[in-house]
Amino acid sequence: DAGITQSPRHKVTETGTPVTLRCHQTENHRYMYWYRQDPGHGLRLIHYSYGVKDTDKGEVSDGYSVSRSKTEDFLLTLESATSSQTSVYFCAISGFVEEQYFGPGTRLTVT
Amino acid sequence: AQSVTQLDSHVSVSEGTPVLLRCNYSSSYSPSLFWYVQHPNKGLQLLLKYTSAATLVKGINGFEAEFKKSETSFHLTKPSAHMSDAAEYFCVVSDLVIDYGGSQGNLIFGKGTKLSVKP
Repeated sequence: DAGITQSPRHKVTETGTPVTLRCHQTENHRYMYWYRQDPGHGLRLIHYSYGVKDTDKGEVSDGYSVSRSKTEDFLLTLESATSSQTSVYFCAISGFVEEQYFGPGTRLTVT
Repeated sequence: AQSVTQLDSHVSVSEGTPVLLRCNYSSSYSPSLFWYVQHPNKGLQLLLKYTSAATLVKGINGFEAEFKKSETSFHLTKPSAHMSDAAEYFCVVSDLVIDYGGSQGNLIFGKGTKLSVKP
């Protein structure tokens, strides 16, 4: 398995609070991604990074921000969590080819 | 823009019988296509990928898929289902993106097909 970890693995938070999810890789891959998974929607891309400090928006980026200050870490921040952001969040990485490798996921519940 | 449609949200088979999970894609150029599998409460694992080489692609655990350009299809098959195949399967097309460092693919996922295997 690709060396990808996500933390925390589970989190319950209240509406309006800030939340940061962390993705850490040991593969030195250039590209990193954040997806959310919701029933009936498959996975949808939130943001991605193509290098340190280089990020871009995905399909469902509203309400999310990201940062990448080191090759190995990609942070996803919900500035003010809402109930619609209750989801399972997956991080993925890729090198110079298109296939991506996924982390174990973070289950976030916003009450 | 690329898109992918999985034609069945749920498929149920008996152990030892063939599996067919259907996927159609839409792409303005020759796409890269993938199948991923997700077991309950797990991350996603790459089953197989098509990247314009052989049209019949073999993957892990006995699965294979055939790229048919004329039908814009990439159906996943397995000759004999095993109980451990019960999972959700995602057909994925790559939306090629060109950035400053070259090119890479953003993945566009189908909505998934849940495979149940009965004893």
